[in-house]
Amino acid sequence: NAGVTQTPKFQVLKTGQSMTLQCAQDMNHNSMYWYRQDPGMGLRLIYYSASEGTTDKGEVPNGYNVSRLNKREFSLRLESAAPSQTSVYFCASSDSTNEQYFGPGTRLTVT
Amino acid sequence: DAKTTQPTSMDCAEGRAANLPCNHSTISGNEYVYWYRQIHSQGPQYIIHGLKNNETNEMASLIITEDRKSSTLILPHATLRDTAVYYCIVRVAPWNYGQNFVFGPGTRLSVLP
Repeated sequence: NAGVTQTPKFQVLKTGQSMTLQCAQDMNHNSMYWYRQDPGMGLRLIYYSASEGTTDKGEVPNGYNVSRLNKREFSLRLESAAPSQTSVYFCASSDSTNEQYFGPGTRLTVT
Repeated sequence: DAKTTQPTSMDCAEGRAANLPCNHSTISGNEYVYWYRQIHSQGPQYIIHGLKNNETNEMASLIITEDRKSSTLILPHATLRDTAVYYCIVRVAPWNYGQNFVFGPGTRLSVLP
């Protein structure tokens, strides 16, 4: 099992550009999550999907949209990137015990 | 979810036990204590969780006080690879789908040779 995979690993955007971060899990988990982590800080939840077909806002959803494409995939979209969105983005999934498994992260820089 | 308080940083000698404390004085009866760690540049890794009894697995032990207002994560024989940021999180019962984890700044553990 690959666990949780994320693409791309690194990305540089100009202000105003858009992009989609991809996440996939092969553990048959119901719930998936997107977090961001800024230097020296803990993780903050952006959006989560409790099950296929549902999505909900987390702590910092402004400027982002998500799509739970199917049970395996959960994507995060930045419609108009801003420098404040420079961060490391982590995707996670969880099973019935809610133990979360994290991907390796995407390092995004917005100039 | 209840808030947690952890020391900003700690040092531990290689081969010794690392004891990482966490205060969660406002924890509710149905909230579990979870521990995760994040090694530099990687995604967080689950370590252990518990409700009120002490727990042990192949990675660590979790000691929860009787009043559940604090807990200690113990790495019995710390190695250099245990250098990481350790997060203590409390949250509602694990069968509530979709409940999110709140990751604070954590404790930066440095294992010294």
